[in-house]
Amino acid sequence: QSALTQPPSVSGSPGQSVTISCTGTSSDFGIYNRVSWYQQPPGTAPRPMIYEVSNRPSGVPDRFSGSKSGNTASLTISGLQAEDEADYYCSSYTSSNTWVFGGGTKLTVL
Amino acid sequence: EVQLVESGGGLVQPGRSLRLSCAASGFTFDDYAMHWVRQAPGKGLEWVSGISWNSGNIGYADSVKGRFTISRDNAKKSLYLQMNGLRAEDTALYYCAKDMAAVAGNFDYWGQGTLVTVSS
Repeated sequence: QSALTQPPSVSGSPGQSVTISCTGTSSDFGIYNRVSWYQQPPGTAPRPMIYEVSNRPSGVPDRFSGSKSGNTASLTISGLQAEDEADYYCSSYTSSNTWVFGGGTKLTVL
Repeated sequence: EVQLVESGGGLVQPGRSLRLSCAASGFTFDDYAMHWVRQAPGKGLEWVSGISWNSGNIGYADSVKGRFTISRDNAKKSLYLQMNGLRAEDTALYYCAKDMAAVAGNFDYWGQGTLVTVSS
């Protein structure tokens, strides 16, 4: 059960867009599209931002969007704001009836 | 309002046992799967175990298989994690998380976590 691969860090200036990738195997992503993204500011519990690849829970700004192509899922944040600075984790339900997280990406808003 | 409150963490010696609990409120507990996710100090998230609404589908991470046991009591709206043979690498903040589905979905609500420290 290896973790999904995410870049350790990304950065962008306010107003810009950034994309965080999440790469795994076909087994990691299974067949159900149960790919999700979580935001975690320091010292807080994770907050769901995207579920089932591209759906936003209520209350999440539409600046956050998700997609998936082949064995890579992506989270794009447009119109970056200072409050977006946090760690971001992807997660997927696997074909082995387990869940796997990515190693996490630290987003810095310059 | 959905609330998940973990308890049972603490300092424990290697090889000993600990039982974590998660008290749920604000939703129909027996409609949803539940999970334990942990985060070692300064590290990323790691899924530990999950259990479906009726306990018919249970899964474990390889790192805890054979040592940890997940269970739930729908009447008490509670989730549990029995941890045996604890190791230093089990030291982490343990989160209880609610699934969006009855069997296998995504995690839509998280507790604040309970800290487990394994050390002699």
